[in-house]
Amino acid sequence: GQSLEQPSEVTAVEGAIVQINCTYQTSGFYGLSWYQQHDGGAPTFLSYNALDGLEETGRFSSFLSRSDSYGYLLLQELQMKDSASYFCAVRDQYNFNKFYFGSGTKLNVKP
Amino acid sequence: EAQVTQNPRYLITVTGKKLTVTCSQNMNHEYMSWYRQDPGLGLRQIYYSMNVEVTDKGDVPEGYKVSRKEKRNFPLILESPSPNQTSLYFCASGLKGTNYGYTFGSGTRLTVV
Repeated sequence: GQSLEQPSEVTAVEGAIVQINCTYQTSGFYGLSWYQQHDGGAPTFLSYNALDGLEETGRFSSFLSRSDSYGYLLLQELQMKDSASYFCAVRDQYNFNKFYFGSGTKLNVKP
Repeated sequence: EAQVTQNPRYLITVTGKKLTVTCSQNMNHEYMSWYRQDPGLGLRQIYYSMNVEVTDKGDVPEGYKVSRKEKRNFPLILESPSPNQTSLYFCASGLKGTNYGYTFGSGTRLTVV
């Protein structure tokens, strides 16, 4: 099975940089994804890391280190609208169609 | 507009009364999936479907059924709902094999009393 751990809550100020970590214990997986979910809304896809290293998409970057069983989402130039929950997710190595999500990190951006 | 549409958005029902939550997508996606979201547990996969008439269990399938008679529709059926199925449910769709994320519906908040 898969187990992904994230901090439950993070607080940062507008304009700052924040890193949301995801550590995992898995039997094998295809890459690490990140999703954003605003209160009452649907999850929306942010990024995917198939290989180790950094992927950058605008203000957001995501990093994966398979040897450390660790990944993170980096949000730069924080805006109030970035206040949301962020989930990491993996797909099972032995069943490409099965997904496992972390419990989510609630990001609070303050003025 | 490309979207995944779930209905209803909110539903309150009584224990044991069969219900169906519908999910429809207009993007011609092969892959569709159902999740439930509970506080502190994130999203857990219930069932998924790779194509018409092809469905399989996710992580928490007990108490649920699905069907995929048409490519665009993937209803979630609770034959005999129980209070522990009170949750927020999401349907998602995507291209088969894609690594670049899936499109989620707006969610269905189900309360079973």
